[in-house]
Amino acid sequence: DIVMTQSPATLSLSPGEGATLSCRASQSISTNLAWYQQTPGQAPRLLIYGASTRATGIPARFSGSGSGTEFTLTITRPQSEDFAVYYCQQYNRWPRTFGQGTKVEIK
Amino acid sequence: QVQLQQGGAGLLKPSETLSLTCVVNGGSLSGYHWTWIRQSPGVGLEWIGEIDHSGSTIYNPSLKSRVTLSVDSSKNQFSVRLSSVTAADTAVYYCARALGLSWGYYYMDIWGRGTTVTV
Repeated sequence: DIVMTQSPATLSLSPGEGATLSCRASQSISTNLAWYQQTPGQAPRLLIYGASTRATGIPARFSGSGSGTEFTLTITRPQSEDFAVYYCQQYNRWPRTFGQGTKVEIK
Repeated sequence: QVQLQQGGAGLLKPSETLSLTCVVNGGSLSGYHWTWIRQSPGVGLEWIGEIDHSGSTIYNPSLKSRVTLSVDSSKNQFSVRLSSVTAADTAVYYCARALGLSWGYYYMDIWGRGTTVTV
């Protein structure tokens, strides 16, 4: 299985401070990577697919980059509703696998 | 707008069979793959498997011996069954639609609300 490793585990931000989340794959996955956002009690929500394409309705302050094994999710000037847990997921091979998540919290 | 409505029993005893359904409202099963994912505090998000509208399946090898996915086009729904459950199967189970631009490369764009299953 492809192992997805996210860092950091927790990111503490002041309101308006930008966030950079990292995701590393144990082998190359091209750009077959998705990012999801999860708030407490809710299902994950698709943010980014193809490593850098925003899903329908996702604000432009969310951006994704990377290919191969190294990926980044950037949140520019996070809003209050952006404080949540973020997961990366590879869909290059079966079984699909997820990272352990990065919690973005208010400092 | 497509929505996924989950149903099924949430409390099981060890050795029983988990059975959950996911009804596709506002859309069709055809043309998409459909997945099940579960989430537990110890393991995190775990992909269980996926099925297409014709019934072709791919399972996570870690669960393959115990899991069965199926589709029922007449009811526009798909289902998961997991046999011989133990406490390790306690989790929130999600159904989701898998979407992709090319065959074999699918991400989950629409999720159900989740069903909490306790063993």
